[in-house]
Amino acid sequence: DTGVSQDPRHKITKRGQNVTFRCDPISEHNRLYWYRQTLGQGPEFLTYFQNEAQLEKSRLLSDRFSAERPKGSFSTLEIQRTEQGDSAMYLCASSFGQGIDTQYFGPGTRLTVL
Amino acid sequence: RKEVEQDPGPFNVPEGATVAFNCTYSNSASQSFFWYRQDCRKEPKLLMSVYSSGNEDGRFTAQLNRASQYISLLIRDSKLSDSATYLCVVSPYSSASKIIFGSGTRLSIRP
Repeated sequence: DTGVSQDPRHKITKRGQNVTFRCDPISEHNRLYWYRQTLGQGPEFLTYFQNEAQLEKSRLLSDRFSAERPKGSFSTLEIQRTEQGDSAMYLCASSFGQGIDTQYFGPGTRLTVL
Repeated sequence: RKEVEQDPGPFNVPEGATVAFNCTYSNSASQSFFWYRQDCRKEPKLLMSVYSSGNEDGRFTAQLNRASQYISLLIRDSKLSDSATYLCVVSPYSSASKIIFGSGTRLSIRP
């Protein structure tokens, strides 16, 4: 399977715990994006990387959220001191970064904060 | 006002019907437009890009009206498998590095 993969697919945690999600993009894609989606809403942009550089962050990305893409390949999204409001689907997407730059999404990580 | 607005539906239509969705966007500088499809509990998948001249892909036709800042999606001869949420997507950048999703329109096709 050469699509975008995310791990874990589901995560249940207690409020106050830290969680980390991983995204592996399509191998030749140099752009990687993180989104958050809650029930009944479309995905909301969180941040994006071009290679290893984090080029843009949404105001939604509070200080408790941090994302990295150290070698320009896989990325991690960490949420510290989770809150119940962080419960959502976290989607990762990647793109080639040229022309009409279609983003391809991974299956997402569903986070439930108890 | 949301940057991208869609009628949430649900639209419930019989198989074989024609159905149309509209989407409005607030940023007149938007340059790239897309329709994505999302099945229940699945990731969004690109359905089609929307070009200024309008474009068609089989039973699906997308139109862009820059003056009125809306895009539309028409589905002809709807199939049961078309049941999904359709997400309108707009980008202010020609390379679509940041895209903004609408909340989606739910479509349900009944036999």
